[in-house]
Amino acid sequence: AQSVTQLGSHVSVSEGALVLLRCNYSSSVPPYLFWYVQYPNQGLQLLLKYTSAATLVKGINGFEAEFKKSETSFHLTKPSAHMSDAAEYFCAVSGAGGTSYGKLTFGQGTILTVHP
Amino acid sequence: DTAVSQTPKYLVTQMGNDKSIKCEQNLGHDTMYWYKQDSKKFLKIMFSYNNKELIINETVPNRFSPKSPDKAHLNLHINSLELGDSAVYFCASSQDRTSDYSETQYFGPGTRLLVL
Repeated sequence: AQSVTQLGSHVSVSEGALVLLRCNYSSSVPPYLFWYVQYPNQGLQLLLKYTSAATLVKGINGFEAEFKKSETSFHLTKPSAHMSDAAEYFCAVSGAGGTSYGKLTFGQGTILTVHP
Repeated sequence: DTAVSQTPKYLVTQMGNDKSIKCEQNLGHDTMYWYKQDSKKFLKIMFSYNNKELIINETVPNRFSPKSPDKAHLNLHINSLELGDSAVYFCASSQDRTSDYSETQYFGPGTRLLVL
């Protein structure tokens, strides 16, 4: 069984400030972890993913995330927010084994607002 | 040259009607999916096909029937539409996920279904 919890359904930051979006996961097998971004009225786009190589993963648009097994976390960060980062962000987990056939389980999403 | 495309983009219909949503991917992927995103933006997998074979079938009413005529297409047919079926339906595709569960899923733009 696998699940994802995203702490904070809404996060608001000023332009240029640090972005931190929290994700905790639960998985009965070693996980693969993903962050997706959804802009209004669009589909989801992959930002980055953890596939058991480096624990610090760099993605597109200056985002990165760190896999911490001891904390079962995969928080998304960006040092300096840009207005164009305003969107909804989804964390997802996929089991690296078992009978799930790599089914993605998503968190409930975090809406990021960026103020000028 | 859209990677994953869906038609129609918007669908407004009456309760009790039957409707279909089409999905096509030109990425050469083996695996395709249907997801439902409800009014609270929660994303949940419905079905997955690998090389035209059903591999994931979540707890979905049997009014929903996916059909994969070839590995580039996965259509979703919904019978006897109900108010609760109103949602955004996303199609996605990936390389074969029956063995490598780290494969990225690529999402279509979504079909916004409103049942009146």
